[in-house]
Amino acid sequence: GENVEQHPSTLSVQEGDSAVIKCTYSDSASNYFPWYKQELGKRPQLIIDIRSNVGEKKDQRIAVTLNKTAKHFSLHITETQPEDSAVYFCAARKQGGKLIFGQGTELSVKP
Amino acid sequence: NAGVMQNPRHLVRRRGQEARLRCSPMKGHSHVYWYRQLPEEGLKFMVYLQKENIIDESGMPKERFSAEFPKEGPSILRIQQVVRGDSAAYFCASSPGTGLGANVLTFGAGSRLTVL
Repeated sequence: GENVEQHPSTLSVQEGDSAVIKCTYSDSASNYFPWYKQELGKRPQLIIDIRSNVGEKKDQRIAVTLNKTAKHFSLHITETQPEDSAVYFCAARKQGGKLIFGQGTELSVKP
Repeated sequence: NAGVMQNPRHLVRRRGQEARLRCSPMKGHSHVYWYRQLPEEGLKFMVYLQKENIIDESGMPKERFSAEFPKEGPSILRIQQVVRGDSAAYFCASSPGTGLGANVLTFGAGSRLTVL
């Protein structure tokens, strides 16, 4: 069945450094890959997404890359700030299907 | 646009009681999804619904859990005869279903169920 694996489960960086979170998916029919940020006690919020016809997308300090052949996608956060500290979830979905989430990465940015 | 509205935000039930969680999607959204999140864990898919139709319920436990999205009114996630293991945050999300942004899920604030 569909599965999304996410690594690492925890990530600690110094303020100003970059952070990279990686995900792999199993269903080759998946064509939509969003990333959500969830702060403690809050709802998940969409921060960036990418569709399978695009290899890379950037929005200010956040970028996502997609390798369809390897069924692998990554989130890159540059110049990290303490307010970037949260749990980040990757997800994958095929057309008309359900959105399956990875296990989450707890990012801690130390000032 | 009020966004995805969930209520109640907090619900306390004793073992064996019933829990009903409600979700009103964003205006213009016709697709609703329910996810369960245990403390310090990920978002586990439960069910995906359109108005009066269940699209995918592969994540729903076979017993005690049911969901509906009637023609009028909010989507309801119903848990009968609750047990302590049902204690979790239940998040609802909605999406347009068609057009640009069809796949984009917007989440509600969640309903936190505590079973005593």
